[in-house]
Amino acid sequence: QKEVEQNSGPLSVPEGAIASLNCTYSDRGSQSFFWYRQYSGKSPELIMFIYSNGDKEDGRFTAQLNKASQYVSLLIRDSQPSDSATYLCAVKGYSTLTFGKGTMLLVSP
Amino acid sequence: NAGVTQTPKFQVLKTGQSMTLQCAQDMNHNSMYWYRQDPGMGLRLIYYSASEGTTDKGEVPNGYNVSRLNKREFSLRLESAAPSQTSVYFCASSELTLYSNQPQHFGDGTRLSIL
Repeated sequence: QKEVEQNSGPLSVPEGAIASLNCTYSDRGSQSFFWYRQYSGKSPELIMFIYSNGDKEDGRFTAQLNKASQYVSLLIRDSQPSDSATYLCAVKGYSTLTFGKGTMLLVSP
Repeated sequence: NAGVTQTPKFQVLKTGQSMTLQCAQDMNHNSMYWYRQDPGMGLRLIYYSASEGTTDKGEVPNGYNVSRLNKREFSLRLESAAPSQTSVYFCASSELTLYSNQPQHFGDGTRLSIL
């Protein structure tokens, strides 16, 4: 059984701070990793994906991947109240994604 | 461009009733998926269709059947609904994922309550 683990939170940060969201996975053969954002009552929407070790930046978001440690993270710089949502980590297997249960992020003004 | 469209958006059923959830995508994607999302459980894969003409079981297939009607449409059927199937159901689609890193795009979901 492939597992993807995330701290359920909530992770509370003040506006303007850096939010750090973490994810670990069990399948060492996993190749691709995705971060989705899900607002309450809405569907998941893709933020970014990463498949090479290291950092990948997209605006205020940075994904970090360490395959040796089986660890992927998402950093959100200059956090805004509109970033308050649940963040889902997803790991690609052969042809499907396995999702973590998500981390709730609360950004206070 | 609608993306992934699910119908209905809400449904209340009685135990033992049957129904079909519909999903259609207009992105010419090869792969389609059905998930359920329950509080504290995250997204769990019910069935998927890697390409037109194929379907495979996911993590929680019991009590469900699927049909890949054509490249655009992928339906999920509950033959005899049970209260344990009360959930939010999401359909998603992507390019063929076997050899790519293409992300999945989600519909707005169907909120299903079974009494």
